[in-house]
Amino acid sequence: QVQLVQSGAEVKKPGASVKVSCKASGYTFFGYHIHWVRQAPGQGLEWMGCINGDTGVTNPAQKFQGRVTMTRDTSIWSVYMELSSLTSDDTALYYCAREATRTFYMDVWGKGTTVTVSS
Amino acid sequence: QSALTQPPSVSGSPGQSVTVSCTGSSSDVGRYNFVSWYQQPPGAAPKLVIYEVSNRPSGVPDRFSGSKSGNTASLTISGLQAEDEANYYCTSYTSSNRYVFGTGTQVTVL
Repeated sequence: QVQLVQSGAEVKKPGASVKVSCKASGYTFFGYHIHWVRQAPGQGLEWMGCINGDTGVTNPAQKFQGRVTMTRDTSIWSVYMELSSLTSDDTALYYCAREATRTFYMDVWGKGTTVTVSS
Repeated sequence: QSALTQPPSVSGSPGQSVTVSCTGSSSDVGRYNFVSWYQQPPGAAPKLVIYEVSNRPSGVPDRFSGSKSGNTASLTISGLQAEDEANYYCTSYTSSNRYVFGTGTQVTVL
């Protein structure tokens, strides 16, 4: 069935970077965007940006510009989100979610990857 | 881009109707019909329940409906059931070619 499989939990020190993966399963990679959305403990959802699965063009949220890098590997149907210069405020559950290109909604979500930033 | 404004909580008894509002601006909710709603039970990933203001994906009960007036979108749950208890988030496409989520609303079934 159609699903997005995310990598496991990460623990990082302040100032480090983290790279989270999201693997598409059960559907063709092309024709879809992958969005990244995070949720801090007890807080709401926050859109971080997206990557075009066809072209690799990225569209980061203004808040994360210069600190987030989104890439894709079409040979293994995977997308990656790397966040640098981590602080404790980046402790959150990070989700990837699929959007059929230019439909403007996210119809399939991964289960999330917990990232903890602690010294 | 500021988050869209939602009430922190709404509640209702089983069988009643509840409405969750989502207020944005003329740069997002008021400009596009690209408002979607997501249901997130505790400890689970979000699930799409409404897209393009008022469309329901396959498998979502017809007691979920959506609408929009000006800069405010709304999600209505009719015939409230215990399984509807969750957090609900709206999101909208914006004029800066980005997305913004709402602040989230906890729906409680009394």
